[in-house]
Amino acid sequence: KNEVEQSPQNLTAQEGEFITINCSYSVGISALHWLQQHPGGGIVSLFMLSSGKKKHGRLIATINIQEKHSSLHITASHPRDSAVYICAVRGSNYKLTFGKGTLLTVNP
Amino acid sequence: GAGVSQSPRYKVAKRGQDVALRCDPISGHVSLFWYQQALGQGPEFLTYFQNEAQLDKSGLPSDRFFAERPEGSVSTLKIQRTQQEDSAVYLCASSLEWGRHNEQFFGPGTRLTVL
Repeated sequence: KNEVEQSPQNLTAQEGEFITINCSYSVGISALHWLQQHPGGGIVSLFMLSSGKKKHGRLIATINIQEKHSSLHITASHPRDSAVYICAVRGSNYKLTFGKGTLLTVNP
Repeated sequence: GAGVSQSPRYKVAKRGQDVALRCDPISGHVSLFWYQQALGQGPEFLTYFQNEAQLDKSGLPSDRFFAERPEGSVSTLKIQRTQQEDSAVYLCASSLEWGRHNEQFFGPGTRLTVL
């Protein structure tokens, strides 16, 4: 079974700060997802990646397959970025295994 | 609609009641997934459909849980004789095709509270 660990569990930042959320997993994967979940809301897919780096606006996701590690970065953080960020990995089939999430709070 | 929709968004049930949760996937999406997310936890896989076929129900926690997708589009997750431990957010996701590299699109979830 693939275990997915995220750190930190909780993160509080001031507006404008650079944010990093980490994800480690235990076995080989075919893809890794970063997801965003607002309180009371559904899940929005931010990135799906299997190698290298992707960028979308102020969000950057990187993955190191050899080290089984991925990071999600947020540049120039804003209070509207406050949400739970979830890492999920897919193995050789369709199933996703999710981390517990990182609760990010960005204060003005 | 443009995305995955779920109804109801919130459901309060008395212990022992039966509930039915609905998922409308994105039109044309072949694959449909149900997940259960307990408070403070990440989602966990319940079941998977490819069109109308339920190919995997290994995540269903008990025989009180039943899912169907009779026409290969809308899906219903039914929970019989609800228990307090069933309280969770139930998420539905769909993807265009089966395959390891197909992105899943999630619905807003149904928050079930069993009293």
